[in-house]
Amino acid sequence: GQQLNQSPQSMFIQEGEDVSMNCTSSSIFNTWLWYKQEPGEGPVLLIALYKAGELTSNGRLTAQFGITRKDSFLNISASIPSDVGIYFCAGQGDNQGGKLIFGQGTELSVKP
Amino acid sequence: GAGVSQSPSNKVTEKGKDVELRCDPISGHTALYWYRQSLGQGLEFLIYFQGNSAPDKSGLPSDRFSAERTGGSVSTLTIQRTQQEDSAVYLCASRPVSGAGNTIYFGEGSWLTVV
Repeated sequence: GQQLNQSPQSMFIQEGEDVSMNCTSSSIFNTWLWYKQEPGEGPVLLIALYKAGELTSNGRLTAQFGITRKDSFLNISASIPSDVGIYFCAGQGDNQGGKLIFGQGTELSVKP
Repeated sequence: GAGVSQSPSNKVTEKGKDVELRCDPISGHTALYWYRQSLGQGLEFLIYFQGNSAPDKSGLPSDRFSAERTGGSVSTLTIQRTQQEDSAVYLCASRPVSGAGNTIYFGEGSWLTVV
């Protein structure tokens, strides 16, 4: 099925470091979402972006909706061990009933 | 209920058997979605319901896959004559109304293994 291009696929970082991941699409989206998934759980929404150019923060997380509406990034500052998990971007277009298209995920490992 | 509830949480089945996966959305949520997540992969859209009708079933991989929703609430995803490549986590999600601007909530998934 259709997917977004998310990178990097995995990251191994030291506690305290900042992290950046991004998603690109060949299609325009009107909503960009970032989710985190931990083992055995469903994805949990972290940040939702509804307007091109929008920059939104949620604690140590910051995400931006690209001006072209074809990309988005997520930054995590001062990483901690509980940030470990898989992060997914998801895009949503108009007139699609709220269907989300997901990226392949970025697996984050944080070394204490 | 408090969240999206899926059952069974784990299912091991023999190749060729049929399986049914159930989703109980959050009470009052009219839109319901099924996604499939293969090992190490992102989520692949299967089908979505608005009420009891399915305006978009474009993601169902083959005619072995079907889904229904009754009473605008519970949904069942059925896989007939299961194959090993059907092994995946099947995630259900719901939101208050379809369209943008509403948070979509996921269940914990049904882990299907076909042996």
